[in-house]
Amino acid sequence: EIVLTQSPATVSLSPGERATLSCRASLSVANYLAWYQQKPGQAPRLLIYEVSNRATGIPDRFSGSGSGTDFTLTINSLEPEDFAVYYCQQRSLWPLTFGGGTKVEI
Amino acid sequence: EVQLLESGGGLIQPGKSLRLACAASRFTFSNFAMTWVRQAPGKGLEWVAAISGNVNNTNYADSVKGRFTISRDNSKNILFLQMNSLRAEDTATYYCAKGRAYSVYDLDSWGQGTLVTVSS
Repeated sequence: EIVLTQSPATVSLSPGERATLSCRASLSVANYLAWYQQKPGQAPRLLIYEVSNRATGIPDRFSGSGSGTDFTLTINSLEPEDFAVYYCQQRSLWPLTFGGGTKVEI
Repeated sequence: EVQLLESGGGLIQPGKSLRLACAASRFTFSNFAMTWVRQAPGKGLEWVAAISGNVNNTNYADSVKGRFTISRDNSKNILFLQMNSLRAEDTATYYCAKGRAYSVYDLDSWGQGTLVTVSS
């Protein structure tokens, strides 16, 4: 199975700062990489699909980049509601796999 | 707006069976792949099972293969997860999630989850 490794596990930032989250795959996933946001007590929400496409309703401060095995989610100018856990997920090969998550905390 | 409403969770003894359901509305259910994803308390997300829109293709995580069965009733817009031989490590919140297209497993809508607790 493809293992997704997210780093850092936790990042502490202030509102207005930029967050840069990494996701590394053990094998190439081509462009089949998505990002999700999860807040406490809530279901995950799709942010980005196929590396760089924002899902419906996602603000443009969220952006994704990368290819093959190395991917980045960037959140420009953090808003208070952006403090959450972020997961990457690949759909290149079965089984679908998620990364372990990065917590963005204040 | 897409709606997904899970039901069927609860406290169950090890070795027993449970069936989860996910009622879908406000989209053409048969046109989209569906999945179950679980999250153990305080842990990350784990994909469990997936089914294509036409029911022909199913896939399972190794951790549940042979014990869990995903199915769907496209006439009633319901997704199911039959869970047999439950173990303590199956304790989690189970989410149903909709694929972005017919067999595309970017998960663009999620239910609120249903908690399954496996304990004696």
